[in-house]
Amino acid sequence: ETGVTQTPRHLVMGMTNKKSLKCEQHLGHNAMYWYKQSAKKPLELMFVYNFKEQTENNSVPSRFSPECPNSSHLFLHLHTLQPEDSALYLCASSQGARQALYNEQFFGPGTRLTVL
Amino acid sequence: DQQVKQNSPSLSVQEGRISILNCDYTNSMFDYFLWYKKYPAEGPTFLISISSIKDKNEDGRFTVFLNKSAKHLSLHIVPSQPGDSAVYFCAASNSNSGYALNFGKGTSLLVTP
Repeated sequence: ETGVTQTPRHLVMGMTNKKSLKCEQHLGHNAMYWYKQSAKKPLELMFVYNFKEQTENNSVPSRFSPECPNSSHLFLHLHTLQPEDSALYLCASSQGARQALYNEQFFGPGTRLTVL
Repeated sequence: DQQVKQNSPSLSVQEGRISILNCDYTNSMFDYFLWYKKYPAEGPTFLISISSIKDKNEDGRFTVFLNKSAKHLSLHIVPSQPGDSAVYFCAASNSNSGYALNFGKGTSLLVTP
């Protein structure tokens, strides 16, 4: 248990569906992240929130829409996805300080997404 | 363009021997490096890190070595145990450019009894 939980663990959706991924951290951290891991590719950073403010958006298509209502919760809203969006979506959190020394990120177990 | 590279997708080592996992990076601005370990159906878990002001950091059976001139780091596991079998990810960051961790593709380690 890393203190970061993600639901659902598995999701199958059609291209016209709308769904949301949820992440919750119980570590008192201030920064939260969404990563995408596709087969045979490195983890790709999608979004970063620090103190509920989005600080990075890594050129992610608008069909992915993040929401961070507070420092403990992070959502990823999905709509009109494509089959190539099928991947493992990982949430992480960290203390939030800019210095890399404090940038140890704690990951959730991920949501395995399949888009049909 | 991938800035962190793990050129060995897999490694097999006998129990009790040393496992050496390698990582190369291209961005000379990276100043903090981390290793993560991932079991199937779980998220990556932090293993060990090193700042660019050091060339070695040790934690129990795990040691990370950093060679800045070669832009290379390695993770040594001694002695290797079957429970170490997992995918190991190298990650790097630049403390002056935000929170992003740049990950390699990972190396799958198998420790055989």
